[in-house]
Amino acid sequence: DTEVTQTPKHLVMGMTNKKSLKCEQHMGHRAMYWYKQKAKKPPELMFVYSYEKLSINESVPSRFSPECPNSSLLNLHLHALQPEDSALYLCASSLPGVLSTGELFFGEGSRLTVL
Amino acid sequence: AQSVTQLGSHVSVSEGALVLLRCNYSSSVPPYLFWYVQYPNQGLQLLLKYTSAATLVKGINGFEAEFKKSETSFHLTKPSAHMSDAAEYFCAVRTSGTYKYIFGTGTRLKVLA
Repeated sequence: DTEVTQTPKHLVMGMTNKKSLKCEQHMGHRAMYWYKQKAKKPPELMFVYSYEKLSINESVPSRFSPECPNSSLLNLHLHALQPEDSALYLCASSLPGVLSTGELFFGEGSRLTVL
Repeated sequence: AQSVTQLGSHVSVSEGALVLLRCNYSSSVPPYLFWYVQYPNQGLQLLLKYTSAATLVKGINGFEAEFKKSETSFHLTKPSAHMSDAAEYFCAVRTSGTYKYIFGTGTRLKVLA
């Protein structure tokens, strides 16, 4: 099983809503990532979890709240978003350890539209 | 600080022609280098990676890349383009000791019939 599964694939929300994006992998990877990708741009790193602990937060606004409840799951909680937050949100995983040569395995993404 | 430069945001080739997508990196230490492909409304898929073993790396779908330290380059090639190769291609670099993968700005490949 070499998949990273993201749900939902599409999400439309108002600026006052609270919603969550979910990501799951069963490859035994212990590093998990959230990236944001705007149209025609490369992915931008948001958060990295290593062994279920937050390792990197790229100065992301607090309206985005990550959570890693166990080694297979990664959530991104969304609250009071702005229209400019509309983007493709990509989850990825990799082998753990900063000395690993491993590549990122990406999910298909969740397309978020904020009205 | 590391960076990745992809020359040419758009590349067009005829079906059956050589594909060459360019990537240059800057890194003070030997990096780990990757090429990813992204089809519309999908995630990124790994094509190939360089991790200091062989300098010529073969990947999926007939793609390969050569690591040239003297030129700080990791260009992606495919001898014969297929219509299904039309997609966005990203070069990425990662330095050992970090979880940060730095992506280039991407090259959109168009294959002409």
